[in-house]
Amino acid sequence: SQTIHQWPATLVQPVGSPLSLECTVEGTSNPNLYWYRQAAGRGLQLLFYSVGIGQISSEVPQNLSASRPQDRQFILSSKKLLLSDSGFYLCAWSFGRIRTYGYTFGSGTRLTVV
Amino acid sequence: GDSVTQMEGPVTLSEEAFLTINCTYTATGYPSLFWYVQYPGEGLQLLLKATKADDKGSNKGFEATYRKETTSFHLEKGSVQVSDSAVYFCALSDNTGKLIFGQGTTLQVKP
Repeated sequence: SQTIHQWPATLVQPVGSPLSLECTVEGTSNPNLYWYRQAAGRGLQLLFYSVGIGQISSEVPQNLSASRPQDRQFILSSKKLLLSDSGFYLCAWSFGRIRTYGYTFGSGTRLTVV
Repeated sequence: GDSVTQMEGPVTLSEEAFLTINCTYTATGYPSLFWYVQYPGEGLQLLLKATKADDKGSNKGFEATYRKETTSFHLEKGSVQVSDSAVYFCALSDNTGKLIFGQGTTLQVKP
């Protein structure tokens, strides 16, 4: 069966520090991968998605970047964090057939920038 | 573009009350529709889905029917429990291979 792992679960970082959040999927190959952010009391914002190694699409211009160095690994990064980067970050994966299967989400990373 | 609109929360109910969370959508083509649930501090879990008009998705006592004529996918449960307290997201599959989510509705069930 397929599983998705996200880490760390919580993170407190100072303004201006770098960021690296990692997401890996097991039990499948060539998944579509997604990074979402959920600000406090708000909905989901799609940040990046990827349909293959090295293929990254950015949905919203911002202080973050994403990379997919391996088929089942998706990394969210920042060179210098801003206070506004605080939030709950969710990774998700899907088969190509979104209509049938939807997404499977990881457990999330709570990022607080101080 | 495609969009999903959910009723604003929070929704506060007493245990064993009937639940309805409204969801309407705008889409080109024939999307699939989903309900996800997010318990405090956790990621989203798929609750139920429907892939075509008049389909009914159901799981854990929750139901939703895909109504093409009213472009709706309302979530219902006959008797809620305290453990159902969570945020509920309605979503559709767009024609670019992504899910479009509503803003989420917070449900609080009091004993």
